[in-house]
Amino acid sequence: QSALTQPASVSGSPGQSITISCTGTSSDVGAFNYVSWYQQHPGKAPKLMIYDVNTRPSGVSNRFSGSKSGNTASLTISGLQAEDEADYYCSSYTTSRTLYVFGTGTKVTVL
Amino acid sequence: EVQLAESGGGLVQPGGSLRLSCAASGFTFSSYWMSWVRQAPGKGLEWVANIKEDGSEKYYVDSVKGRFTISRDNAKSSLFLQMNSLRVEDTAVFYCARLHSTSIVFDYWGQGALVTVSS
Repeated sequence: QSALTQPASVSGSPGQSITISCTGTSSDVGAFNYVSWYQQHPGKAPKLMIYDVNTRPSGVSNRFSGSKSGNTASLTISGLQAEDEADYYCSSYTTSRTLYVFGTGTKVTVL
Repeated sequence: EVQLAESGGGLVQPGGSLRLSCAASGFTFSSYWMSWVRQAPGKGLEWVANIKEDGSEKYYVDSVKGRFTISRDNAKSSLFLQMNSLRVEDTAVFYCARLHSTSIVFDYWGQGALVTVSS
């Protein structure tokens, strides 16, 4: 089971919006609405930001939103803030024996 | 407040064994599936294993099958990962994670335990 494909890096200025893509296959992203996104600051544990494609857990800013089209999911961060600078990983449930597959990770830089 | 705290990491030689523990608090541990997820240094995340609420079902990534065993003690709100026949490529930070109650995602994570396999 290959990892989901994400851009290595995305950057934006404070206040701007950025979008991170997550491309999988018809066996994972395209097959289920169990796509999630995690934020990870250096040396810290991942934090769930979006689940079930577009649902925000309690306490997560509404500047974070998710969507999906076919085999590609996306995370959009609007009104970019310095604290959003981190690594972001997507994840999906999969029909393979691996059960879960993560993305390659995207480093978000706030210019 | 949900809290997960891993312990038991360290340096071990190839072929050796190590047992990780995860102490859970702030929620009814026996009502949730639990998982282990690892992250090799400078790399991405990799799911390792899942265990059902009552321990009756367990699932593993192929690379650890036959070597790692996930278990739990609901009376002590604790999750474990017994790792045998460790390989250099098992070097990683191992995270204990809770599975969401209504979805198949990891909603809370511990701070992680570093396992280094090296001679």
